[in-house]
Amino acid sequence: GAGVSQSPRYKVAKRGQDVALRCDPISGHVSLFWYQQALGQGPEFLTYFQNEAQLDKSGLPSDRFFAERPEGSVSTLKIQRTQQEDSAVYLCASSSRTGFSYEQYFGPGTRLTVT
Amino acid sequence: AQSVAQPEDQVNVAEGNPLTVKCTYSVSGNPYLFWYVQYPNRGLQFLLKYITGDNLVKGSYGFEAEFNKSQTSFHLKKPSALVSDSALYFCAVRGEPGNTPLVFGKGTRLSVIA
Repeated sequence: GAGVSQSPRYKVAKRGQDVALRCDPISGHVSLFWYQQALGQGPEFLTYFQNEAQLDKSGLPSDRFFAERPEGSVSTLKIQRTQQEDSAVYLCASSSRTGFSYEQYFGPGTRLTVT
Repeated sequence: AQSVAQPEDQVNVAEGNPLTVKCTYSVSGNPYLFWYVQYPNRGLQFLLKYITGDNLVKGSYGFEAEFNKSQTSFHLKKPSALVSDSALYFCAVRGEPGNTPLVFGKGTRLSVIA
C-alpha cells in the first residue's frame, strides 16, 4: 500500500519568507510525528499528533514553527519568517498505534534550504 | 535526560563478513530501543526494536540486535554483510514515562565493500 508522502520534496525559500510543508500519512494511522534532520545529524523530534490533537509540541524550536492536523489525517508544518538555521530536512512519520513505543513509518522528507 | 550515542561515524566491512554497528544509551527507567535504516533520498525504515523479553532481538533483512543492560548498549549485528546493506543506520531510544519522544543518535554510515 501507499506509504507516507511529503510535499514538496525540495523547497528553497528566501530568508523571511513563510513556508508550508505537507505530510500525507498512511491511511488510518492515528499518530503523526514531525522531525527536523540537520545535515549529518539524526532526526530531532518536533511535534506529535494523536488524530487531530497535538499532544506534544515540546520540540518546536520557536514560535515561528506551527503544525496542524485539523481532520486527523493530512498535516502541515508551517514555518514563518524563515531563517538560515531552519535549513534542514523535515521528516514526517506515522504510526498505527498511539505514543512513542511503536515503529514509525517515515516519509522521504522535505529538504528546506533558506537563502 | 535521554541520550543515545553512536560512537562510529563510519563502519567499513567486506561483503560476507559479520558487521556490528554500536549504540549506547542513557535513559530514566526501562529503555525502549529501536534501529532504523536510511537509504539515499528515502525515509527511515524500521529494522527492529527492544521493549522487553529476550536480549537478542531479530529484525528485518537478517539484522539482529543485542540488548545489554549492564553496559547500556544495543548493538546492531548481521552475520554476513551484503553490499546492499550499505546505508545510514540510526539508533533511537525512549525511556519512561511513556509519553517521552524518541531520541535518535547521529547515525553511522555503513559501507559494505565487494
